[in-house]
Amino acid sequence: DAKTTQPPSMDCAEGRAANLPCNHSTISGNEYVYWYRQIHSQGPQYIIHGLKNNETNEMASLIITEDRKSSTLILPHATLRDTAVYYCIVRPGTDKLIFGTGTRLQVFP
Amino acid sequence: EPEVTQTPSHQVTQMGQEVILRCVPISNHLYFYWYRQILGQKVEFLVSFYNNEISEKSEIFDDQFSVERPDGSNFTLKIRSTKLEDSAMYFCASSPLVGFTDTQYFGPGTRLTVL
Repeated sequence: DAKTTQPPSMDCAEGRAANLPCNHSTISGNEYVYWYRQIHSQGPQYIIHGLKNNETNEMASLIITEDRKSSTLILPHATLRDTAVYYCIVRPGTDKLIFGTGTRLQVFP
Repeated sequence: EPEVTQTPSHQVTQMGQEVILRCVPISNHLYFYWYRQILGQKVEFLVSFYNNEISEKSEIFDDQFSVERPDGSNFTLKIRSTKLEDSAMYFCASSPLVGFTDTQYFGPGTRLTVL
């Protein structure tokens, strides 16, 4: 079973920041937080991952709380193409990915 | 940017037939995976493959399934005798090992329809 809790859906206006929360209160010390997204029925797309420090790349930022029990994925300027299902996954460094139901993000004009 | 590729994009087969789904992982990646997603359901792990052998498999991956890396570039999933419930999107993924983590990159998937 997935070890994370995410809201089932969120809306965001185009051009605004999308902040997607994830709770992972039972995360272990050796587990990383990974974010993927799936646009329609395409293959999941890697976004970002982190262990305990905040991370940023060209797609998004990942903010992990100090106690590591929750995190937030930030898409700084959402576009219509960011409409997708976003998955927050916790796992040891090398292991299968266990997908939950994710958050369906709808970006509207 | 290197990508995982999968062929065919759509495969239609009759129940009981054998199918082979093909994947070309990203060059120099060391770990290979198959996942599937039945329409409207979660993405499910099937099998992981490392150093020319299965490292982990799920309960779904029964004797009807097999994987192979026949050469240095391809990674295949074979279903020996397809069932209606095998109809799904099948995703291949590959990953390098960087430090203590591996990030899996997925292909576009093969839609398998069993009639």
